[in-house]
Amino acid sequence: AQSVAQPEDQVNVAEGNPLTVKCTYSVSGNPYLFWYVQYPNRGLQFLLKYITGDNLVKGSYGFEAEFNKSQTSFHLKKPSALVSDSALYFCAVRDKEGFQKLVFGTGTRLLVSP
Amino acid sequence: ETGVTQTPRHLVMGMTNKKSLKCEQHLGHNAMYWYKQSAKKPLELMFVYNFKEQTENNSVPSRFSPECPNSSHLFLHLHTLQPEDSALYLCASSQDDRANQPQHFGDGTRLSIL
Repeated sequence: AQSVAQPEDQVNVAEGNPLTVKCTYSVSGNPYLFWYVQYPNRGLQFLLKYITGDNLVKGSYGFEAEFNKSQTSFHLKKPSALVSDSALYFCAVRDKEGFQKLVFGTGTRLLVSP
Repeated sequence: ETGVTQTPRHLVMGMTNKKSLKCEQHLGHNAMYWYKQSAKKPLELMFVYNFKEQTENNSVPSRFSPECPNSSHLFLHLHTLQPEDSALYLCASSQDDRANQPQHFGDGTRLSIL
């Protein structure tokens, strides 16, 4: 069965500092991996995805994520955090065969302080 | 994002009421989804429609009844709900239900059961 773990309920970072939101996954085959962001009173917004190829994926709003197959991780990163990045971030995985549904993690709240 | 529109945004209903949630997507997508989002829990996939055909029912109680009259519209009919059904209900769409397609979400309907 597929699963996603986001080990941190909350990440605190000062504005201007780099940020990392962690995600590890488990699938039986090869994964498709996604990051979504949710702002208050809004739905989830797609940030980026890893399908194949380059392990470093660039997405919206300056975010990027690095796929590490040996560590089964897909951590979300940004070189310089903004206060407006404060939101709830979800990692999701689906196996490439597509027979299983998209599985989401429990979310990590990012709080960027001025 | 206005690509996926959900109405109403908020709904309060008694356990004996019947109501419907509506979702409309303007993205030309062929797959649509209903999710339930509860605090401190991962998103729960409820139903999937691909080209108007239901392809997944994730063991959802019969008090939730989906309807997909065309690829642009999705409804969730509610009747005799329980207090534990109070949650944020999110609609999403994607080009189709292939594993590599990102999903685009509406802003949700906040449902409260009295």
